[in-house]
Amino acid sequence: EVYLVESGGGLVQPGGSLRLSCAASGFTFSTYWMDWVRQAPGKGLEWVASIKKDGSQKDYVDSVKGRFTIFRDNAQNSLYLQMNSLRVEDTAVYYCVRDRAYATFDCWGQGTLVTVSS
Amino acid sequence: QSALTQPPSASGSPGQSVTISCTGTSSDIGAYNYVSWYQQHPGKAPKLMIYEVNKRPSGVPDRFSGSKSGNTASLTVSGLQAEDEADYYCSSYGGAELFGGGTKLTVL
Repeated sequence: EVYLVESGGGLVQPGGSLRLSCAASGFTFSTYWMDWVRQAPGKGLEWVASIKKDGSQKDYVDSVKGRFTIFRDNAQNSLYLQMNSLRVEDTAVYYCVRDRAYATFDCWGQGTLVTVSS
Repeated sequence: QSALTQPPSASGSPGQSVTISCTGTSSDIGAYNYVSWYQQHPGKAPKLMIYEVNKRPSGVPDRFSGSKSGNTASLTVSGLQAEDEADYYCSSYGGAELFGGGTKLTVL
């Protein structure tokens, strides 16, 4: 069975940094694109970033470009999201998701909450 | 404002059918057959219910079906059951914003 387990969320002040991790199991991690999707409290889903199977291509939503970095370690079956210069509007549950192709997200982690507040 | 437009709410009685629409543009829904639908219960992670317009992942009941016409995709839930009450999100490859704003489905 496929498992995606996020960690690293928490409370951080505006301007601070946080690194999210996602441990994957139950599938061949290196053969899938992987993404981060977030959901602000009481709001809808927002795609944040995606990374190609070998890490050679990365895409970001405009609002996080230059602040967030997605990367992966295929040897450790892990996905990461380095978040710098955090803003109040980055407050959300962040989901690690498996992308079966063309932004079709077939497996989701349970999510980790990031709260940016002073 | 989301690039994909969904009605904020929909409802139906048990056993009835309900259809949720998702309107995009010729650059997303109209251009690709990569429309997906996700179900999300309160406090839970989203779940893929339909992909590539009308395909169902293993384990998803055949009461859920998808279709597309032009720039509009639709999700139909037939034989409504209480457990179908949830938020539903559409998404399409190619759009500036990947997801629709979501539709809250209420089973009366």
